[in-house]
Amino acid sequence: AQSVTQLDSHVSVSEGTPVLLRCNYSSSYSPSLFWYVQHPNKGLQLLLKYTSAATLVKGINGFEAEFKKSETSFHLTKPSAHMSDAAEYFCVVSVTGNQFYFGTGTSLTVIP
Amino acid sequence: EAQVTQNPRYLITVTGKKLTVTCSQNMNHEYMSWYRQDPGLGLRQIYYSMNVEVTDKGDVPEGYKVSRKEKRNFPLILESPSPNQTSLYFCASSRRSGTSGYNEQFFGPGTRLTVL
Repeated sequence: AQSVTQLDSHVSVSEGTPVLLRCNYSSSYSPSLFWYVQHPNKGLQLLLKYTSAATLVKGINGFEAEFKKSETSFHLTKPSAHMSDAAEYFCVVSVTGNQFYFGTGTSLTVIP
Repeated sequence: EAQVTQNPRYLITVTGKKLTVTCSQNMNHEYMSWYRQDPGLGLRQIYYSMNVEVTDKGDVPEGYKVSRKEKRNFPLILESPSPNQTSLYFCASSRRSGTSGYNEQFFGPGTRLTVL
């Protein structure tokens, strides 16, 4: 069985400071991992994905994530937060490519 | 414009009254899926379809039906809705997984359903 734990339900940062959103996964097999972003009253958009290639994955809008098998983690980072980054972020795991398991989400607030 | 569309966007109904939420994509994607989003629970997968006439249960299929008679459409059917199905529903589609790994899912705008 697979599952995802997003360690923080809310994260608040000042504009221009680094962002760290934490995600731990549980999977019996080699997983694919994703980060999606959901802006208020919008659908979800893919930020980045890991599918067993490079462990450091770069995504859109300056986000990146590192797959650490030993720690079963896939934390999302960004060096400098922008006001437009305020949104809900979801970490997602899949083993089969058919079934996807979402974390409960992290709400990111960016303070001007 | 490449997109996933859902209708209706908002629906208020009563317990037991059958309803269908439509989902259509214009990207010729093989894979389609339905999710529900509830506060504090994230998104949970209801059903998915790998291709026409191929559907399978996700994590929370109880109380829902789907069909995939055409590649572009994947309607979600609630035969007898109950208040615990009040939720925000998302449809998604993607190309079938290939050698490059699992593909990005494109999400519709969501359907907010209230069952009284």
